[in-house]
Amino acid sequence: GDSVTQMEGPVTLSEEAFLTINCTYTATGYPSLFWYVQYPGEGLQLLLKATKADDKGSNKGFEATYRKETTSFHLEKGSVQVSDSAVYFCALLDSSYKLIFGSGTRLLVRP
Amino acid sequence: DAGVIQSPRHEVTEMGQEVTLRCKPISGHNSLFWYRQTMMRGLELLIYFNNNVPIDDSGMPEDRFSAKMPNASFSTLKIQPSEPRDSAVYFCASGSGGAGETQYFGPGTRLLVL
Repeated sequence: GDSVTQMEGPVTLSEEAFLTINCTYTATGYPSLFWYVQYPGEGLQLLLKATKADDKGSNKGFEATYRKETTSFHLEKGSVQVSDSAVYFCALLDSSYKLIFGSGTRLLVRP
Repeated sequence: DAGVIQSPRHEVTEMGQEVTLRCKPISGHNSLFWYRQTMMRGLELLIYFNNNVPIDDSGMPEDRFSAKMPNASFSTLKIQPSEPRDSAVYFCASGSGGAGETQYFGPGTRLLVL
């Protein structure tokens, strides 16, 4: 079945550092891809999405490009802030319109 | 818009008791999803509804779990009887359906079964 694999965390960075969180997927066809973020004690919030190959999703300085050739959707940000500390989930929407999530990557940004 | 509303936010109960979690989706959304989040298993889809009809309940762990959606603005997830291994955060999400749809999550209900 469809699946999503994310890099293990936690990822610890200093403020203003460059962020990459790797995400690869296995799926039949070309599913829509998502990044969700979860702050402590809260539900998941959509961060960005891409619905077809070569699309780039972006929001709040975060970007991810849908790479069909490498089946990847890596999350990047040029300069992280302390307020970006959270858990980030990569997900795909399968052919039954169900979201399949990765295991999540915890990001900790130090001042 | 108020977003997805869940109640209660926290629930502590004793093993064997019935637990009912409630969800009000975003108005106009026709898909509703129940998820469970634990450290061991991460995020699991339990069941989802489309136009108030259960479409896929393959993620419901066992017969102790049941879910209903009597109308477009309300859904319940019931656990009877509850067990300590049911302790988790339960999220409800809603969406407008279709390819590329975004699911909007509620704040979750943190359940502790003693």
